Amino acid sequence: NAGVTQTPKFQVLKTGQSMTLQCAQDMNHEYMSWYRQDPGMGLRLIHYSVGAGITDQGEVPNGYNVSRSTTEDFPLRLLSAAPSQTSVYFCASSSPLGAEQFFGPGTRLTVL
Amino acid sequence: ELKVEQNPLFLSMQEGKNYTIYCNYSTTSDRLYWYRQDPGKSLESLFVLLSNGAVKQEGRLMASLDTKARLSTLHITAAVHDLSATYFCAVDSGGSNYKLTFGKGTLLTVNP
Repeated sequence: NAGVTQTPKFQVLKTGQSMTLQCAQDMNHEYMSWYRQDPGMGLRLIHYSVGAGITDQGEVPNGYNVSRSTTEDFPLRLLSAAPSQTSVYFCASSSPLGAEQFFGPGTRLTVL
Repeated sequence: ELKVEQNPLFLSMQEGKNYTIYCNYSTTSDRLYWYRQDPGKSLESLFVLLSNGAVKQEGRLMASLDTKARLSTLHITAAVHDLSATYFCAVDSGGSNYKLTFGKGTLLTVNP
């Protein structure tokens, strides 16, 4: 099992560009989430999904879109990148409810 | 809105000493998680606490949960340098979703 994989590992964008951060898991987990980590802020939930076709907003959803067409994949789209979106992004998955979350290696995004 | 507070945020301790990290949260929940993060790395699950009075131990770390006091503790016994890392607690808002709110983390440095 590869666990939770994320691509790319690093990305530099210019303000206004769009891009998709990829996340995939091979553990057949129902729950998947996207977090951003900023210094001194802990991790903040952006969007989450409780199964294919079902997504919902977390604490900081503005500027991000998600979809969940398959159990395995949960991409995060930045619609028009802003410097405030410079952060480290983590994808996580879990199943069943209450079990530990497995985190991907992260994507370090810089928006200039 | 669920709020999670950790203290201390910074902890410098000597090898061989004991200490406790505290995690307070603001609303009722019986699902609490502890994670470890090494610099530049992803998060590693340490403990999952799912009921009042739950206590789990792994090596020199022991975690407990008091849902009535809305408090979890992470106790470190006879610290060693390898325990140096950032420790996060996270609380599930409950229900059938899986929405974690993280504390800001405790940066632990264990000095020889």
